[in-house]
Amino acid sequence: KQEVTQIPAALSVPEGENLVLNCSFTDSAIYNLQWFRQDPGKGLTSLLLIQSSQREQTSGRLNASLDKSSGRSTLYIAASQPGDSATYLCAVRRNTGGFKTIFGAGTRLFVKA
Amino acid sequence: EAQVTQNPRYLITVTGKKLTVTCSQNMNHEYMSWYRQDPGLGLRQIYYSMNVEVTDKGDVPEGYKVSRKEKRNFPLILESPSPNQTSLYFCASSLSMAKRGGNTEAFFGQGTRLTVV
Repeated sequence: KQEVTQIPAALSVPEGENLVLNCSFTDSAIYNLQWFRQDPGKGLTSLLLIQSSQREQTSGRLNASLDKSSGRSTLYIAASQPGDSATYLCAVRRNTGGFKTIFGAGTRLFVKA
Repeated sequence: EAQVTQNPRYLITVTGKKLTVTCSQNMNHEYMSWYRQDPGLGLRQIYYSMNVEVTDKGDVPEGYKVSRKEKRNFPLILESPSPNQTSLYFCASSLSMAKRGGNTEAFFGQGTRLTVV
C-alpha cells in the first residue's frame, strides 16, 4: 500500500532563507507526483507536477525534484517571502493496482518578516 | 477560464437526509475525483473516475456514491449522511493517466464544507 510522508510537519524560517521540503513514498510505481499549496480554509493551488519519467521541474523560485528509486521528492523554495506561508502538500498518483491518488499530511510553513 | 466548480460551497444538513454535491469541469478532463479533508488526517480520496461510466473506490468510499454520466460532471452523493461525514470536500480533475506525454496536472475546486448534525 502506498504511503506518503512529509517532513517536517511544520517549519518556521526568517524571510529570505532558502528551504527544502521533503516528501517520501513507499511504492516507486507512481505515475506522477504533484506539489500543492493550501492557504487556511482555501482550496489547493497546483505548484509543480513531475511525471514519473522526469527528474525535476522548475517554476520561478520553486524547484521540485523526483527520485523514484529512493522514493523521494523535494520542493526547494528560494529566497522565501512571508507570502509563501501556507501548507505544502505532495500527492502521488499510482499506476498499478488502480489509479488512486495519495496525499501526504503536509508541511506547514511560516515565513517571518 | 479553466476551472473546477463545486456546489454548494457550504451545506448544513441533518442526519439521514440525502444530499448531492455537484462538481463540473470545463477542461475536457477524463480523470475526476473526490477527496475529503479532515484535521489530522489530511486529504483522502473517496472515489475517482477514469472516464465516463468508469468509477472506482478510493481509500474512504464507505457512505458515498458517485456517478459519471457525462465527461464534465462528477456528482458526489450521500444517501444517508451521518455526523462522521462532516468534512471539507474537494473535487479535482485532470487528463487521464492513459494518455502518454500529456500534462496530467490536477486542478481542484474551491471546496464544499459539509456539516451533518
